[in-house]
Amino acid sequence: NAGVTQTPKFQVLKTGQSMTLQCAQDMNHEYMSWYRQDPGMGLRLIHYSVGAGITDQGEVPNGYNVSRSTTEDFPLRLLSAAPSQTSVYFCASSRQGPYGYTFGSGTRLTVV
Amino acid sequence: AQTVTQSQPEMSVQEAETVTLSCTYDTSESDYYLFWYKQPPSRQMILVIRQEAYKQQNATENRFSVNFQKAAKSFSLKISDSQLGDAAMYFCAYGGNRDDKIIFGKGTRLHILP
Repeated sequence: NAGVTQTPKFQVLKTGQSMTLQCAQDMNHEYMSWYRQDPGMGLRLIHYSVGAGITDQGEVPNGYNVSRSTTEDFPLRLLSAAPSQTSVYFCASSRQGPYGYTFGSGTRLTVV
Repeated sequence: AQTVTQSQPEMSVQEAETVTLSCTYDTSESDYYLFWYKQPPSRQMILVIRQEAYKQQNATENRFSVNFQKAAKSFSLKISDSQLGDAAMYFCAYGGNRDDKIIFGKGTRLHILP
């Protein structure tokens, strides 16, 4: 039982490049979310999903896309990376939305 | 929209002493969850304690306890017998039963002084 697995752990991108942050969970959780963490800002919700085929926007969705084709996977796509997207990204999952999330170990992304 | 406010960006406490971290929130819902998460230097987010709003009894987990004041919309975390391993960023969070998402405060960095 690996929990929530995020890859990669670190990434450097050039402005304008695109990439996908991977998130997978093996707990059969319906709810999954992506957060970004910036100094002094706490964790801000980017996108979330309440089940396969269902996604919704959070507080800061611009510049990011998600899809949920399976219960296990919830990838986050950066369409055209910008320096403002330099951050630490966390994926989280839960068997029931507000009950409390299990977090992945995070991805530190730097856009230069 | 719901909000979570942590008014103390940083706090320090002497090892073995007790410290209380403050959190207030705003919501129009009556049924929700509140959480405290710990983030040590390893960056991992760890759930410390969870409180269900319909329960009047304050949640406790070993040295960690909360003071949940529903009418005042206050949810403070008390750490007793502070240990060096408690040094971390602590986040207060709110989860509403109706909107399926959890929102976080900006965090309080806790320093433990030996």
